[in-house]
Amino acid sequence: DTGVSQNPRHKITKRGQNVTFRCDPISEHNRLYWYRQTLGQGPEFLTYFQNEAQLEKSRLLSDRFSAERPKGSFSTLEIQRTEQGDSAMYLCASNPGTGRTDTQYFGPGTRLTVL
Amino acid sequence: GNSVTQMEGPVTLSEEAFLTINCTYTATGYPSLFWYVQYPGEGLQLLLKATKADDKGSNKGFEATYRKETTSFHLEKGSVQVSDSAVYFCALSEGTGANSKLTFGKGITLSVRP
Repeated sequence: DTGVSQNPRHKITKRGQNVTFRCDPISEHNRLYWYRQTLGQGPEFLTYFQNEAQLEKSRLLSDRFSAERPKGSFSTLEIQRTEQGDSAMYLCASNPGTGRTDTQYFGPGTRLTVL
Repeated sequence: GNSVTQMEGPVTLSEEAFLTINCTYTATGYPSLFWYVQYPGEGLQLLLKATKADDKGSNKGFEATYRKETTSFHLEKGSVQVSDSAVYFCALSEGTGANSKLTFGKGITLSVRP
């Protein structure tokens, strides 16, 4: 068990470009979450998967954002036409999905800088 | 909606000092409460949790008690160490499915000097 991994760890892009991040959860974890953390703030929920089904999306997730988990394992988060306001740390977390209080295990995050 | 409020920081303490970090919450139901810690250069890690009123979570010398009457989950440690320097986040979740998402406070930076 190597924990939740995220790639890339850092991404610098120009405004208007598309970016895609990947999250590999802990093996056999059914639930996967994406959060966004801006400087000086706590993480904010973006979206949630139970296996391959995307069950909830925050209003923070504008039309430019899309997330997938095609086989119920890894997940991708794509941002189209990036804006400077998208600059943040994007965190992925997973848990087994078997109980009410399952601990969420977080990855190291992908830091996005939009120039 | 749900929310978590943490005391303003940063906090600077000398080694072996007593630590209290305040956390209060607003929730529509009966949430589970968590403290997460983020050490420099590392990802978020669960420090402790409590799932119902009057439960006490504890780990690494840290403790927090779920107080439903005051909607609080204050973090305490009797004697801090330099290695406790980190950012601490209070969080809640309200159960299964989509309600299992975490709502975080803003976090507070703790610096412990030798």
